[in-house]
Amino acid sequence: QKEVEQDPGPLSVPEGAIVSLNCTYSNSAFQYFMWYRQYSRKGPELLMYTYSSGNKEDGRFTAQVDKSSKYISLFIRDSQPSDSATYLCAMSPLNAGNMLTFGGGTRLMVKP
Amino acid sequence: GAVVSQHPSRVICKSGTSVKIECRSLDFQATTMFWYRQFPKQSLMLMATSNEGSKATYEQGVEKDKFLINHASLTLSTLTVTSAHPEDSSFYICSVIPGDRAGNTIYFGEGSWLTVV
Repeated sequence: QKEVEQDPGPLSVPEGAIVSLNCTYSNSAFQYFMWYRQYSRKGPELLMYTYSSGNKEDGRFTAQVDKSSKYISLFIRDSQPSDSATYLCAMSPLNAGNMLTFGGGTRLMVKP
Repeated sequence: GAVVSQHPSRVICKSGTSVKIECRSLDFQATTMFWYRQFPKQSLMLMATSNEGSKATYEQGVEKDKFLINHASLTLSTLTVTSAHPEDSSFYICSVIPGDRAGNTIYFGEGSWLTVV
């Protein structure tokens, strides 16, 4: 079993839909949770960064962390074709780049 | 604007030759940089941690003599793929944690596509 599980998709939604992306994990030591967006043939871009449990909102994006269930989510409201990308969740027990564990990524396609 | 710059973004080389990829932090000094590799449709895998002024720390299964890392300054780390083979063809990405920023967000470079023919 992988430490971080993420549905690879692809997830196809119409423009304007609410998108829900999820990751589950097994390591209870994870404290820092991140969501990255990666366009084809580009490096990952940080979207959301949260510490411990709770919700965080930034524009059309909302990140949720439920440590009791070992489950994190990224919601995208009013999805746009420009949101079409692969979304990677990442988590770490400490804020250290050499301890990041990535999910496999979910490919999202928003159709106009 | 970009926080981390990688060069080249794309390189094709012949089997048996060596290729150098640069990673620069643009807005801050970075005593530590990280190198990842990503195969198509797979997630990022950490290869090594690059430490300024000292030897890099390699992850299990990564050959240190094949993937040479030099972190000669606080803003530059280089990854050299030596005696490249077609199976080394991959997307190589560096990342940096700015040491002086609250929250210590991890920033990634744009990545470098390596194709070995």
